Amino acid sequence: GAGVSQSPSNKVTEKGKDVELRCDPISGHTALYWYRQSLGQGLEFLIYFQGNSAPDKSGLPSDRFSAERTGGSVSTLTIQRTQQEDSAVYLCASSLVLGFDEKLFFGSGTQLSVL
Amino acid sequence: SQKIEQNSEALNIQEGKTATLTCNYTNYSPAYLQWYRQDPGRGPVFLLLIRENEKEKRKERLKVTFDTTLKQSLFHITASQPADSATYLCALGPQGGGATNKLIFGTGTLLAVQP
Repeated sequence: GAGVSQSPSNKVTEKGKDVELRCDPISGHTALYWYRQSLGQGLEFLIYFQGNSAPDKSGLPSDRFSAERTGGSVSTLTIQRTQQEDSAVYLCASSLVLGFDEKLFFGSGTQLSVL
Repeated sequence: SQKIEQNSEALNIQEGKTATLTCNYTNYSPAYLQWYRQDPGRGPVFLLLIRENEKEKRKERLKVTFDTTLKQSLFHITASQPADSATYLCALGPQGGGATNKLIFGTGTLLAVQP
């Protein structure tokens, strides 16, 4: 596809369940980011992957959150034992890293609702 | 801690007028600043990048200024149209310093252009 693809677009789960969110970045983009957007809030950085380097996990809010990127392409964000405060839109973005100020291309996000 | 402030209230203007959105930041010296547009249910879309050594950037009806002394960026849309109605986000980078592409996002300003 031409853009960043995220699935599912909507996810409703019960408190305590685990969820997996998927991101398929633009082909050839070496950098991949996960952000979280809560209602009325700015985008909150979660994690950053760049090539084969160790990911920057400094934004993950707790050890219930983890992410991996397989083969330098598809990424999965996993939230274990979901809590109601995890409800938000989870956005994935990718970019080239020719310089260090490259623009980000975002997917449409996954709306997560924890009941 | 680093903080970005954008107009928290919606900006309502008449079609044909110039819209001016403000982005102020504190406790940070960004190397660059980006502006994004976000429509409901969609991810942000990149509009413009301006670097710390640049005072002004233009693209069609868009103009961005960057004042590192005032720690402020202004985003202008001239000859505004109803189709310009959206939320506009400013983002500063790199977060945490260094040659990475992590961005800190503001909460955004909702622009409504009335026909």
